Amino acid sequence: DQQVKQNSPSLSVQEGRISILNCDYTNSMFDYFLWYKKYPAEGPTFLISISSIKDKNEDGRFTVFLNKSAKHLSLHIVPSQPGDSAVYFCAASAAGGSEKLVFGKGTKLTVNP
Amino acid sequence: NAGVMQNPRHLVRRRGQEARLRCSPMKGHSHVYWYRQLPEEGLKFMVYLQKENIIDESGMPKERFSAEFPKEGPSILRIQQVVRGDSAAYFCASSSRQVLNYGYTFGSGTRLTVV
Repeated sequence: DQQVKQNSPSLSVQEGRISILNCDYTNSMFDYFLWYKKYPAEGPTFLISISSIKDKNEDGRFTVFLNKSAKHLSLHIVPSQPGDSAVYFCAASAAGGSEKLVFGKGTKLTVNP
Repeated sequence: NAGVMQNPRHLVRRRGQEARLRCSPMKGHSHVYWYRQLPEEGLKFMVYLQKENIIDESGMPKERFSAEFPKEGPSILRIQQVVRGDSAAYFCASSSRQVLNYGYTFGSGTRLTVV
């Protein structure tokens, strides 16, 4: 039972264009969402997060949008750069209890020069 | 200002042997989390520990796996009598508090191969 789904295993975009990575979730108890970036042979690196009380959070080139009614979030990267090429994981956490995260399977982003 | 340190980076074990994975959290961090990533999968939560306490082990397999975070020294994830299905990347993360607004800091992982 996959509670966090990233339906696109891969995405390829041109440098300078927008990258949009999508994530869907099924658990209504999730109230905090995070995006991580991962290079091969390295651990995930925190990118940006959003609380369920917001619908948008922006940090430089990265913006995360949350649509609670659709149980959907997306990460926008503008403009995309070759160094952004990596695997991006969406993760979610439920209220209360420990701070465990539920991860999606990831989307591999390739930004072509 | 070292990050989360995991060792070894690569570990090869024969079926039936024991695997010990170590994690030293960032300085000042007292919360440690272990995750496992199987090939082509996302990371799966295993266990959450604070110093000398297991807070949540709901993701740990019932048998052969154990974790500890002693008062002194690194956190240890121990896998007894390893099987081929234990082959995976094991990531440790740490944080200084139970607030997620800035996310965990992950280590580079230990890649366990069972032959």
